[in-house]
Amino acid sequence: KAGVTQTPRYLIKTRGQQVTLSCSPISGHRSVSWYQQTPGQGLQFLFEYFSETQRNKGNFPGRFSGRQFSNSRSEMNVSTLELGDSALYLCASSMGPANSPLHFGNGTRLTVT
Amino acid sequence: AQSVTQPDIHITVSEGASLELRCNYSYGATPYLFWYVQSPGQGLQLLLKYFSGDTLVQGIKGFEAEFKRSQSSFNLRKPSVHWSDAAEYFCAVGAFTGGGNKLTFGTGTQLKVEL
Repeated sequence: KAGVTQTPRYLIKTRGQQVTLSCSPISGHRSVSWYQQTPGQGLQFLFEYFSETQRNKGNFPGRFSGRQFSNSRSEMNVSTLELGDSALYLCASSMGPANSPLHFGNGTRLTVT
Repeated sequence: AQSVTQPDIHITVSEGASLELRCNYSYGATPYLFWYVQSPGQGLQLLLKYFSGDTLVQGIKGFEAEFKRSQSSFNLRKPSVHWSDAAEYFCAVGAFTGGGNKLTFGTGTQLKVEL
């Protein structure tokens, strides 16, 4: 079974631009979560989608948004990029029930200059 | 709100030595606990999980962890470390609000293995 696939692996953007990251979950998984990983803040929860609906949201500004499609694939968007948005963005998928473990992709490394 | 503390930022062990990584959690209910490992440039791989039942759980790569409710701990152990175990290890607690699935992670422990 293929794992969680994130594209692209690397991105370089300029302050003020916007960016869209993509995540394809493991086949059969209906939940997709996004996490931001930085050296200073560690791993922080962004949001979770299940059956195209946002189920949970972390404490991030409205510039961070996401969506999930009917095939469970997910995208996250960051508008008006700031230098502090430079991070590794990790997507994780799960079956959906509350106690199902998360399976992570290899992440998208975003650098904002 | 839930939280996780990993008191050791860096740990160095010799290959073949035993390993214990510490994790303390704070959560109002019975926790769901996880250990993940991350190699450089990679995502997180699930090592093991605790939901309920036997407090000693076995995971992949020869790792095990013991849940101790009285100490709010979930320490990760391995009897004999291999050089390939060098990586960063994260403990996490699951919070399931609104039926959703959200993990709170510790700050991680970087493991170095000396040959």
